[in-house]
Amino acid sequence: DAGVIQSPRHEVTEMGQEVTLRCKPISGHDYLFWYRQTMMRGLELLIYFNNNVPIDDSGMPEDRFSAKMPNASFSTLKIQPSEPRDSAVYFCASSSNPKGVSGTDTQYFGPGTRLTVL
Amino acid sequence: GQNIDQPTEMTATEGAIVQINCTYQTSGFNGLFWYQQHAGEAPTFLSYNVLDGLEEKGRFSSFLSRSKGYSYLLLKELQMKDSASYLCAVDNAGNNRKLIWGLGTSLAVNP
Repeated sequence: DAGVIQSPRHEVTEMGQEVTLRCKPISGHDYLFWYRQTMMRGLELLIYFNNNVPIDDSGMPEDRFSAKMPNASFSTLKIQPSEPRDSAVYFCASSSNPKGVSGTDTQYFGPGTRLTVL
Repeated sequence: GQNIDQPTEMTATEGAIVQINCTYQTSGFNGLFWYQQHAGEAPTFLSYNVLDGLEEKGRFSSFLSRSKGYSYLLLKELQMKDSASYLCAVDNAGNNRKLIWGLGTSLAVNP
């Protein structure tokens, strides 16, 4: 199994530019999560999807952030326009059972995208 | 409100035992996760506790007390590769599927 795939791994951009992060979840997983991680705030959930439908986007910081999941194998997180305070590591995770009751169906994280906005 | 507390940093010696504590105050509770995250890498699943008590998995064990809002991760026979951040996360049984995450405990294992 290839695991969760994210691209790009690193992104450096200038303030005001549009940034698009991509994620391919594990095949067969029906939940997809977008997280942001910083030293100060730790791991924050931005949005999650179930069966390609956004369920909770209350963690999305503001209108500059948007996420889509056009099909079961692809999702994007877009920031437009980007700002220096958006600099962070963005993780995508997928799960077939986000509650993880059995301990085997848990959230699997991709390698992350390190975003730097200058 | 929802709150999870973990020590920020810990140090230990190779071959020793270390206990990483996590206390939580949440509106509901289904279970508690522990994840390991090496520097520059993604979090990886270690354990999930639903019931009170100790669950052992090789060198790692995780304990839960629901009445006290308390959990710990116990690492035995520490190895250098155990140097990482350890994240505690609570499934608060809400209608949503969010996990409430602690900020993590950075563990440094010294030779």
